[in-house]
Amino acid sequence: DVKVTQSSRYLVKRTGEKVFLECVQDMDHENMFWYRQDPGLGLRLIYFSYDVKMKEKGDIPEGYSVSREKKERFSLILESASTNQTSMYLCASSLWGGGAANEQFFGPGTRLTVL
Amino acid sequence: AQKVTQAQTEISVVEKEDVTLDCVYETRDTTYYLFWYKQPPSGELVFLIRRNSFDEQNEISGRYSWNFQKSTSSFNFTITASQVVDSAVYFCALSEKDTGGFKTIFGAGTRLFVKA
Repeated sequence: DVKVTQSSRYLVKRTGEKVFLECVQDMDHENMFWYRQDPGLGLRLIYFSYDVKMKEKGDIPEGYSVSREKKERFSLILESASTNQTSMYLCASSLWGGGAANEQFFGPGTRLTVL
Repeated sequence: AQKVTQAQTEISVVEKEDVTLDCVYETRDTTYYLFWYKQPPSGELVFLIRRNSFDEQNEISGRYSWNFQKSTSSFNFTITASQVVDSAVYFCALSEKDTGGFKTIFGAGTRLFVKA
């Protein structure tokens, strides 16, 4: 079974802190994604990566950055956390499908609260 | 621009009722993929089905069925004889080609309550 793990289930940080959210997948997937989930808005794509050291902006990249130094790990960084970044953060991975989009496998999520 | 609309925010049914979750999408691409995911109360999203734009065949998997109609840009999901375990948030998603791969957009989700 594909397993996607996220470093924390719950995290509380203060405004202005630098925050690292880590995601690791164990199935050698090329693609990795970071989403945030807010009530009534569904999942919104922050960043995604098709390969090591590659990254693409999603729909809401402002205030975030990412790092993918190894294939299995995709980190989301909040450079200076703000209260409007309080949310549930979901990491996902998928197999590169060539000319096809494959299903994504999700981690359990990190609920981040910024005070 | 791609867009996915799930107009039903919440649906409440009694066990054994049939229920249909609507999904309408917008895309300019001719090649795209549609997905449904389930998010149970435990929180982790689980993949249910994938459909590509060239395959309009409807699909049935046990009590679940999906109706894909390109003419109305809809990909609706029906649960027959619903059960309490079907209570979850269901997301419809659309994937389109982007630089290097596919970008996925999710709808806002429909929360389904199935009462015993």
